[in-house]
Formats: sequence, C-alpha cells, structure tokens
Amino acid sequence: QVHLQQSGPGLVKPSQTLSLTCAISGDAVSRNSAAWNWIRQSPSRGLEWLGRTYYRSKWYSDSAVSVKSRITINPDTSKNQFSLQLNSVTADDTAVYYCARGGSGTTVFRFDSWGQGILVTVSS
Amino acid sequence: DIQLTQSPSFLSASVGDRVTITCRASQGIGSDLAWYQQEPGKAPKILIYPASTLQSGVPLRFSGSGSGTEFTLTISSLQPEDFATYYCQQLNDSPPPTFGQGTKLEIK
Repeated sequence: QVHLQQSGPGLVKPSQTLSLTCAISGDAVSRNSAAWNWIRQSPSRGLEWLGRTYYRSKWYSDSAVSVKSRITINPDTSKNQFSLQLNSVTADDTAVYYCARGGSGTTVFRFDSWGQGILVTVSS
Repeated sequence: DIQLTQSPSFLSASVGDRVTITCRASQGIGSDLAWYQQEPGKAPKILIYPASTLQSGVPLRFSGSGSGTEFTLTISSLQPEDFATYYCQQLNDSPPPTFGQGTKLEIK
C-alpha cells in the first residue's frame, strides 16, 4: 500500500520560495505507470492542480498555466521522493498543499493516494 | 479549462436519508469524472471513477451515474461517517484536471 509523507515549512515570507517534499513508500517515483502530482486547496481557489512529474522512458513534468512561470517539480530517485518549489510567493499562495499519485493513460489524473497535506501560510 | 458546477453547495440531511449531489460540466466529458470525499482536516479520498465505477473498498451505498455534462453521486442511506464534503473532478480535458467547488453534507 502506497504512503505519501509530506514535509516542509508551514510559513514562507512573501517573495520567497515555497519548498515541499513528498516521500513515497510502497511505490516508486520512477514507475512507468504512475504520475506524481501537487495539488493545493484554499477557500478562494478550491482544489487546484499545480503540476506533476512522471517517468515514461525519460522524465517529464508539466504544470498549470496559473503557476507555470514560478513552479518546479522534480523527482529524486535516490530518495524515492519528489519535490515542489514555488517561487515569488504572495499571500494568494496561502493554501493546504497536497501531493498525490496519479496513474497512466485514462487514469493519469485519477488521484488514488494523497499525502497528509501541509498548510503553508505566506506572511512576513 | 472545463468548469464543473456542483449543486447544492450545502446539504443538510439525517442518518438513513438518501441524498443526491449533482455535478455539471461546461462541456461534454464522456464518463471521465471522479468523485472524492473529504473529511475535515484530511486529504480527499477517491470514491468513484469513471462516473459510475466504485473504487475498491468504497461502501455499496455510494453510487455514481451520468455522462456527457451531467453527473450525480447518490448515497442511498446516510451513515454518520458520510458527513463530509464531496467533490467532483473531470479528467477528460486534462491537463489541467479541474474540480467542482464542493458540496458540504451536514447532519440535520
């Protein structure tokens, strides 16, 4: 059974970088039929998909248009985890951030396992 | 992006009641719709995907139906643990996958 464990700071200053990590147990970040996603939730935006990384003979990543210029999602095969970096944060980025596993093909965005969530507050 | 509109946003019901939540898509998405349950302070949990297929371990009192632009989630006999917030999500025109705004199911 897969387990996703998130870590990272709960408070980030405006204009700085939000960094979170999602450690995977019971699955592999490099599995060809999985995708590893970041999703956030706030009262103003609801549930919002941010982006993903996945391995299909090579590594790919893509992201939502709303954060495309500020986001980096990277896998770390040595630690079997993946990370989120969101640059130049503002108060609007305050949210609960989740990592989640997707599948492949038609189930690529079926999120069947989620991390516990981390509330990240952007404030000075 | 495809917009999903859930109704109602809030629903008050009693244990044993039958309830139905509707999700409407801004354009046709076939059966590429999932339903999630979120308890307070927890991550969403997938219940149904595609539109009418129960995920493993989900109680049979949950059911989903619909295709195209209109979908429903029905709970046939509410149990105390079912009082939570429910979200629909479309997977058809993705990325990005998008979610409905949620339906909060409260105890009457």
